[in-house]
Amino acid sequence: GAGVSQSPSNKVTEKGKDVELRCDPISGHTALYWYRQRLGQGLEFLIYFQGNSAPDKSGLPSDRFSAERTGESVSTLTIQRTQQEDSAVYLCASSLTTGLETQYFGPGTRLLVL
Amino acid sequence: GENVEQHPSTLSVQEGDSAVIKCTYSDSASNYFPWYKQELGKRPQLIIDIRSNVGEKKDQRIAVTLNKTAKHFSLHITETQPEDSAVYFCAASGVTGANNLFFGTGTRLTVIP
Repeated sequence: GAGVSQSPSNKVTEKGKDVELRCDPISGHTALYWYRQRLGQGLEFLIYFQGNSAPDKSGLPSDRFSAERTGESVSTLTIQRTQQEDSAVYLCASSLTTGLETQYFGPGTRLLVL
Repeated sequence: GENVEQHPSTLSVQEGDSAVIKCTYSDSASNYFPWYKQELGKRPQLIIDIRSNVGEKKDQRIAVTLNKTAKHFSLHITETQPEDSAVYFCAASGVTGANNLFFGTGTRLTVIP
């Protein structure tokens, strides 16, 4: 079946602008995660959704970052007033449930803030 | 929170030799340890994982060992091939009971033909 998809694949924006990134999880996956990967570095956890429960926002680096998810479908990650240090690849992953399930990653959105 | 350290950051081996990558974690409550392979410009792909109720798992040329007492786990690749060249990330499950992963900083493996 279809894997995790993300859009756009690339985004170039100017400092101070808002951006919205989209993630479509694998159908039937109740858990959805956002990670950030700076160039040459590991993946940094941002936020996690599980079904209709309140999201775990503990990884969000500042209040400029927010994310939403409607039910068990699409999620959007919004970065307001972007800064150059926000430049990174933003990866979304989904898993069947929580509790030691494999996370499947999307291709990522490469964000460049000029 | 959980802290995962990974070594080495770069590793070069001759084709056919073995490669070993090591990780340590800080939170004894972590109980799931996946390894991901990421080729240049591609998404991370799960290659093997281990849960805390076992000490070793093997899948063809890839094996992972876990020492819960010492809080470290390792990836072993035998008979390396040029297509094994990639960045490998270890990860450990979070402390909250959720499944969010804390990743190591990665190991760039180069297999020299």
